[in-house]
Amino acid sequence: AQSVAQPEDQVNVAEGNPLTVKCTYSVSGNPYLFWYVQYPNRGLQFLLKYITGDNLVKGSYGFEAEFNKSQTSFHLKKPSALVSDSALYFCAVRDSSGGSARQLTFGSGTQLTVLP
Amino acid sequence: DGGITQSPKYLFRKEGQNVTLSCEQNLNHDAMYWYRQDPGQGLRLIYYSQIVNDFQKGDIAEGYSVSREKKESFPLTVTSAQKNPTAFYLCASRRAMVNEQFFGPGTRLTVL
Repeated sequence: AQSVAQPEDQVNVAEGNPLTVKCTYSVSGNPYLFWYVQYPNRGLQFLLKYITGDNLVKGSYGFEAEFNKSQTSFHLKKPSALVSDSALYFCAVRDSSGGSARQLTFGSGTQLTVLP
Repeated sequence: DGGITQSPKYLFRKEGQNVTLSCEQNLNHDAMYWYRQDPGQGLRLIYYSQIVNDFQKGDIAEGYSVSREKKESFPLTVTSAQKNPTAFYLCASRRAMVNEQFFGPGTRLTVL
């Protein structure tokens, strides 16, 4: 079984400050990890993924995420937050041995608010 | 949202009625998925399909049905057996041998 935890329902940060949105996971094999962003009443947009290789992954809109196998974490980060980054962020995981269906398990989401 | 369309954007249904949500993609993706989103619960998988004329139940399939007669289309029917159908429904698709899924804009269903 695979699972994802996003321990913070809400994260507030001032514009220009660094932001971090936390994600921890549990899988039986090697993890494939993803971050998505959702704006109000819209679908999810893919931000970045970790499959293998460098633990620091860079994605869209200046976001990056760090894979930490010992802590089973995949936190989303951005050096300088923008008001337009305010949205709902989802972490997702699948087990690399999960079969061809490649089903994702999503966290419950973290609402990020960037204050001007 | 590019390449995946969902219609309608908003849908209202009376209790006891079946309703069908449309999902179409022009990305030539093989796999398609339906998710339900409720506040504070993230996304839950309803059904998925890897090829035409084949589909599998996800975690919360009860009260829902799907078909996959064409590669481009994966409609979801919410039946009267679904006890709490009010939610935001998201369709996604994925190209073969690629891990990430791409999402449509969603349909918000409200049961009156």
